[in-house]
Amino acid sequence: KQEVTQIPAALSVPEGENLVLNCSFTDSAIYNLQWFRQDPGKGLTSLLLIQSSQREQTSGRLNASLDKSSGRSTLYIAASQPGDSATYLCAVRPRSGGYQKVTFGIGTKLQVIP
Amino acid sequence: GAVVSQHPSRVICKSGTSVKIECRSLDFQATTMFWYRQFPKQSLMLMATSNEGSKATYEQGVEKDKFLINHASLTLSTLTVTSAHPEDSSFYICSARGTDHYNEQFFGPGTRLTVL
Repeated sequence: KQEVTQIPAALSVPEGENLVLNCSFTDSAIYNLQWFRQDPGKGLTSLLLIQSSQREQTSGRLNASLDKSSGRSTLYIAASQPGDSATYLCAVRPRSGGYQKVTFGIGTKLQVIP
Repeated sequence: GAVVSQHPSRVICKSGTSVKIECRSLDFQATTMFWYRQFPKQSLMLMATSNEGSKATYEQGVEKDKFLINHASLTLSTLTVTSAHPEDSSFYICSARGTDHYNEQFFGPGTRLTVL
């Protein structure tokens, strides 16, 4: 059974700092890995999706990397802003089983202090 | 990306009553919709998967007679929590996928259910 762990559970940084969020998974037979943002009391907003054949994806100040063999992904946020404050979830879709088998991490709660 | 809406965003009900939550894909046809439940400080847990026009597939441990799912059209799925109890209080999130967006999954904004 796939297990997804996100470390740290919470992170507080001053505005402008670069930061890295970590996601690890136990089964490397994945189809893709996706990073989401969740604001309090809201749904999920997709940030980056990395296919299993890819090493990284970039969107603006965000860069996500994937190391399938070691079961790790990182989300790098450059020049953090107060508006980046949210909970960041990673989700792993297995090679077989489709979306029904997607496993979510508990998330890292990020606070960017002005 | 595609847009998925949920209604209502918040609902408070008395124990024993039934509550219906709607999930709509606004600008694409959703061949499959997923219903998740999220308890505080826990990850999203899939409750059921529904394909348009067919019965939903429930995950292990989810009571299908308690959580009724209907996916009658390509843009609407409903989740009805029957005879709700306080332990059903949670954040319910739907997601939808179709063939128009490389089968990517899009999430709704969620519904906060509080059962008194």
